[in-house]
Amino acid sequence: DGGITQSPKYLFRKEGQNVTLSCEQNLNHDAMYWYRQDPGQGLRLIYYSQIVNDFQKGDIAEGYSVSREKKESFPLTVTSAQKNPTAFYLCASGPGPGELFFGEGSRLTVL
Amino acid sequence: QKEVEQNSGPLSVPEGAIASLNCTYSDRGSQSFFWYRQYSGKSPELIMFIYSNGDKEDGRFTAQLNKASQYVSLLIRDSQPSDSATYLCAVNAGANSGYALNFGKGTSLLVTP
Repeated sequence: DGGITQSPKYLFRKEGQNVTLSCEQNLNHDAMYWYRQDPGQGLRLIYYSQIVNDFQKGDIAEGYSVSREKKESFPLTVTSAQKNPTAFYLCASGPGPGELFFGEGSRLTVL
Repeated sequence: QKEVEQNSGPLSVPEGAIASLNCTYSDRGSQSFFWYRQYSGKSPELIMFIYSNGDKEDGRFTAQLNKASQYVSLLIRDSQPSDSATYLCAVNAGANSGYALNFGKGTSLLVTP
């Protein structure tokens, strides 16, 4: 089945640690996105990538990093510079102008 | 910053009634608009999209767009308890933002039996 796979589903991190969230898609979409959602809030854009080896900062990129070495993969690293990383992280992909397709999300908790 | 505004609710309607969800957006140049449904702890799923002024119907759902007023709405007819969720309005940010979607904070809908 075509779709977007995020892992891990749940992740716990100690303060000062970097963690990487995986996102893989087999929808053959060029564009991929990372969003963050806090309780009672909408989705806020962290990074996006329209083609391999290119990515752009979104509205809240500070403390995060990404890579796009393959069309199918767009991992997100939450660095120790992110002061409040506890959130629900959503990866999405899209074919261009139009709807975005979401993975099931990764819930990160800082201990 | 391109804003998308929604009333956070909760909006409570009895089963079988019509639920009306509203959204306004700030970028007059926006071209495409989306409604997503999100159950607690789950990822958003697309309900409808609309690109042209007027109404678009799909089953129990009707999306309405008024570009002059910068207003999008979603009507849910014959509301069911399973419709209880948060509804997110999203607006395409355009090519300069990689066609990302700007989301509102969502409206919580509760359908009571």
